[in-house]
Amino acid sequence: QVHLQESGPGLLKPSETLSLNCIVSGASITSDYWSWIRQSPGKGLEWIGHIHYSGTTNYNPSLTGRVTISVDTSRKQFSLTLTSVTAADTALYFCAKLGSRGFDEFDPWGPGTLVTVSS
Amino acid sequence: QSVLTQPPSVSGAPGQRVTISCTGTSSNIGSGYDVQWYQVLPGTAPKLLMYGYTNRPSGVPDRFSGSKSGTSASLAITGLQAEDEADYYCQSYDSGLSGSVFGGGTKVTVL
Repeated sequence: QVHLQESGPGLLKPSETLSLNCIVSGASITSDYWSWIRQSPGKGLEWIGHIHYSGTTNYNPSLTGRVTISVDTSRKQFSLTLTSVTAADTALYFCAKLGSRGFDEFDPWGPGTLVTVSS
Repeated sequence: QSVLTQPPSVSGAPGQRVTISCTGTSSNIGSGYDVQWYQVLPGTAPKLLMYGYTNRPSGVPDRFSGSKSGTSASLAITGLQAEDEADYYCQSYDSGLSGSVFGGGTKVTVL
């Protein structure tokens, strides 16, 4: 059974860089795609981007220029970096596996990690 | 504003049937891209409820069903139960954005 677990600092100041990791267990990271998704307080879900184990990435155009997703196959983890954060980046951040059934589905998801941006 | 449009809320009494619509455009649902549905219970991560419009992952009750019509998709819950009270999101791929898009979410209330 595949499990994902996010980790990273929960509190950032404006203009700082957000860095989160997602550790994958129960499956090989060298298969399919791996994604980051967030949910701002009181709002819906927003796809951030995804990465293939080969390193190919795809990002939400609204975040292009600030976002980077990378993968470390030896550590079985993938990471999210978001630069120049503002209060608008305050959200619950999830990592998820993409497309294991051959559709564009996200499954499973990690439990999520809350990131707050505040001065 | 979300790319996919869902009603903010629906409600029903226990045992009743409710449906949640998800309206897209020609660059996502209308182009034939699959629709998925997720259930979000308070304080928990989203759970895949339906994929490829009509396919239920193992463990999802058959009270949940999905359908497609043109540029829209729908999720139906028959025999509504108290445990179904949650937020539901639809999701698809958008060729204009070259990525995944979500609906704004629908809160289901069991009266």
